[in-house]
Amino acid sequence: DIQLTQSPSILSASVGDRVTITCRASQAINSCLAWHQQKPGKAPNLLISAASTLHSGVPSRFSGSGSGTEFTLTISSLQPEDFATYYCQQCKSYPLTFGQGTRLESK
Amino acid sequence: EVQLVESGGGLVQPGGSLRLSCAASGFTFSDYYMDWVRQAPGKGLEWVGRCRNKANSYTTEYAASVKGRFSVSRDDSENSVYLQMSSLKSEDTAVYFCVRIGLGITIDYWGLGALVIVSS
Repeated sequence: DIQLTQSPSILSASVGDRVTITCRASQAINSCLAWHQQKPGKAPNLLISAASTLHSGVPSRFSGSGSGTEFTLTISSLQPEDFATYYCQQCKSYPLTFGQGTRLESK
Repeated sequence: EVQLVESGGGLVQPGGSLRLSCAASGFTFSDYYMDWVRQAPGKGLEWVGRCRNKANSYTTEYAASVKGRFSVSRDDSENSVYLQMSSLKSEDTAVYFCVRIGLGITIDYWGLGALVIVSS
């Protein structure tokens, strides 16, 4: 199975900050990586697919980059509604796997 | 607007069975693969299984943790996908999400989720 490791697991930041979350894969997955956002008690929502393609309706302050084994999710200017947990997910091979999550909390 | 609505969750005893349903709307259901993903209380996300579309013979894939116990199926005439769960264990307690696999081959829409509790 392909393991995804996110760092950090918890990130404390303030409104307006630029934040970056990293996802490392245990083997190369080309660009077959997505990022999902989950707020407490809610279903996740897709933010980015194919490592860098913004999903419909997602604000442009979100961006993704990377290929192979290292990927990043960047929020250019943190907004109050962005405090949530973020998961990376690979689609290269079965079983589909997720990172352990990064909880973004208010400093 | 894409909508996925799960139903059928509840409390079941260890060793028991349960079937979840997911009603889809807002897109041409028959074109898409459909998956199930679960989340145990306070934990991360775990992929459960997949049912491909008719063009791919409705073939299925499963996580090792549920293979032989869970089955994913679909009814394109009802725009629905199902998760049949048997020989349930306490570790199957989770919120189960129905998800659509987009044409870019990753999850692009999530259902609201259905809670399954396996307990005596």
